[in-house]
Amino acid sequence: GAVVSQHPSWVICKSGTSVKIECRSLDFQATTMFWYRQFPKQSLMLMATSNEGSKATYEQGVEKDKFLINHASLTLSTLTVTSAHPEDSSFYICSARPYGPLAGGSQETQYFGPGTRLLVL
Amino acid sequence: GENVEQHPSTLSVQEGDSAVIKCTYSDSASNYFPWYKQELGKGPQLIIDIRSNVGEKKDQRIAVTLNKTAKHFSLHITETQPEDSAVYFCAASMDSSYKLIFGSGTRLLVRP
Repeated sequence: GAVVSQHPSWVICKSGTSVKIECRSLDFQATTMFWYRQFPKQSLMLMATSNEGSKATYEQGVEKDKFLINHASLTLSTLTVTSAHPEDSSFYICSARPYGPLAGGSQETQYFGPGTRLLVL
Repeated sequence: GENVEQHPSTLSVQEGDSAVIKCTYSDSASNYFPWYKQELGKGPQLIIDIRSNVGEKKDQRIAVTLNKTAKHFSLHITETQPEDSAVYFCAASMDSSYKLIFGSGTRLLVRP
């Protein structure tokens, strides 16, 4: 249980194009989904918090018009990187917090997806 | 805001030995402390977590201890195995936001 998927797992795009990344909770409903960014050999940096049916909350320094987040349902959140540039190349990871605690977990537990590697040429 | 520091950045141990990774946090309102294991090219995997109302938690070879007064918590791995080699991250969060603030990570290498 507690499986989170991401699609695509990797993507290569040209500078100036937009890329959409999907995050799905496969066997549970997620009250909240989070989007992180991780550069090589670095830690995870929280980009934004996404709640179903409401606008995402962005961390300081993250451009909301560049990183569009849509939380369409209790099992799906999408991150769109608009007008991508080489400096946006990174590993993007989502996590999901269940609507209610799952077996072996707590109300705070976040389950992470496998990540999406984005390379902008 | 919350700040989490993690040490050491790298740790090399012989198979069968114990490994200890330490983290400190700054915000006394933090009350949830998970540990994640991340293998190369993959997302983080939760291995153990602890809430602030508990001082210690154990799951087979893995244990976490929490000292609220000193605001630090530690991960203990006993009888290490080569498959324990990975990057380990500590994190902290509080009920008001559930946002996880991560430490900088520890690269653990278990030598056969």
